[in-house]
Amino acid sequence: QKEVEQNSGPLSVPEGAIASLNCTYSDRGSQSFFWYRQYSGKSPELIMFIYSNGDKEDGRFTAQLNKASQYVSLLIRDSQPSDSATYLCAVQITNTGNQFYFGTGTSLTVIP
Amino acid sequence: ETGVTQTPRHLVMGMTNKKSLKCEQHLGHNAMYWYKQSAKKPLELMFVYNFKEQTENNSVPSRFSPECPNSSHLFLHLHTLQPEDSALYLCASSHGLAGWVTQYFGPGTRLTVL
Repeated sequence: QKEVEQNSGPLSVPEGAIASLNCTYSDRGSQSFFWYRQYSGKSPELIMFIYSNGDKEDGRFTAQLNKASQYVSLLIRDSQPSDSATYLCAVQITNTGNQFYFGTGTSLTVIP
Repeated sequence: ETGVTQTPRHLVMGMTNKKSLKCEQHLGHNAMYWYKQSAKKPLELMFVYNFKEQTENNSVPSRFSPECPNSSHLFLHLHTLQPEDSALYLCASSHGLAGWVTQYFGPGTRLTVL
């Protein structure tokens, strides 16, 4: 089983708050983890990737990875209305070829 | 043109038609991908090409036929499709397949099969 699971939401947060998006995965062979943002009617765009346990920060975004618990999360600080989108979690598995598995996405709405 | 481009952006076809989707990347990448995105379902990886060679075919029905003439161009040939094949078809590219692979997506082709 190589599923990636996300809460589909919708998740609503007020402007300026922290948005927390979570993702779990089932395959312990998963090696790299990605967060993509997809605006309605647009294609996914990469926000962050992480491959080591711990936190990785980039501006207002922080990705957190815990391989033992098989979850990866994305925190968005100081949320802005422009952050309103669907956030896709993806994992890369390379032990049996090159495979990429995506979650169904979490819909985030930032309320002004 | 920059990034990853796809044509056409919208396509309506009957079940007996033959059509092709085109993808071109202007990023100097070596790997290219086809994904299918249906409503309420996760992105599904269909095919992977690296240096023009197909490396992954995820049990995709033969009515979808990919072609990768070079590292910059990728096609998806369609024939005798079914209504359930209606979806957004996304092309992506990356530098290669080693290490962590960051993919860049094109705008997609919205396909409707009547």
